Amino acid sequence: DQQVKQNSPSLSVQEGRISILNCDYTNSMFDYFLWYKKYPAEGPTFLISISSIKDKNEDGRFTVFLNKSAKHLSLHIVPSQPGDSAVYFCAASSSTSGTYKYIFGTGTRLKVLA
Amino acid sequence: DSGVTQTPKHLITATGQRVTLRCSPRSGDLSVYWYQQSLDQGLQFLIQYYNGEERAKGNILERFSAQQFPDLHSELNLSSLELGDSALYFCASTKAGGQYNEQFFGPGTRLTVL
Repeated sequence: DQQVKQNSPSLSVQEGRISILNCDYTNSMFDYFLWYKKYPAEGPTFLISISSIKDKNEDGRFTVFLNKSAKHLSLHIVPSQPGDSAVYFCAASSSTSGTYKYIFGTGTRLKVLA
Repeated sequence: DSGVTQTPKHLITATGQRVTLRCSPRSGDLSVYWYQQSLDQGLQFLIQYYNGEERAKGNILERFSAQQFPDLHSELNLSSLELGDSALYFCASTKAGGQYNEQFFGPGTRLTVL
């Protein structure tokens, strides 16, 4: 049962344009969401997070939007740079689960073309 | 560099064998998480330890076990290995064990079972 889904395995965007990565979840108890970026041969690195009490969180070129009614979140990268080329994972957790474990999606490979 | 170290980087072994993967968390971090990433899959949460005690369990097989030692490093033991156990194994650490703590990931151990 895939509770966190990233339906686009890959995405290509021109440098300078906006990259939009999407993530859907099924568990309405999730109340904290994160995005991680992963380069080849490295572990994932934290990018940005959002709590369910917000619908938007911004950090520089990165903005995460949360639509609770649709159980959907998205990561916007503006402007996209070649160094943003990586695999992006969204993850979710529930404060009521008592475990605080993260459930990860399968990732979206972003390629930013120069 | 996340500050989390994992050894070995690569491991090749045969079916039926037993291996031990090692993780040293960031200095000061008390919580360690183990994840498995199989081909084209997201990161599957295996188990979490906090200050030496098991805190949460995910989809960890009975053939797998882990522990966290007094110096806070952790080991993941995989026994009776099968071909399907071939994967990247990541550990991550956080200062505390709660939900809002960003997890810092190590570079991973790539396990190949032949």
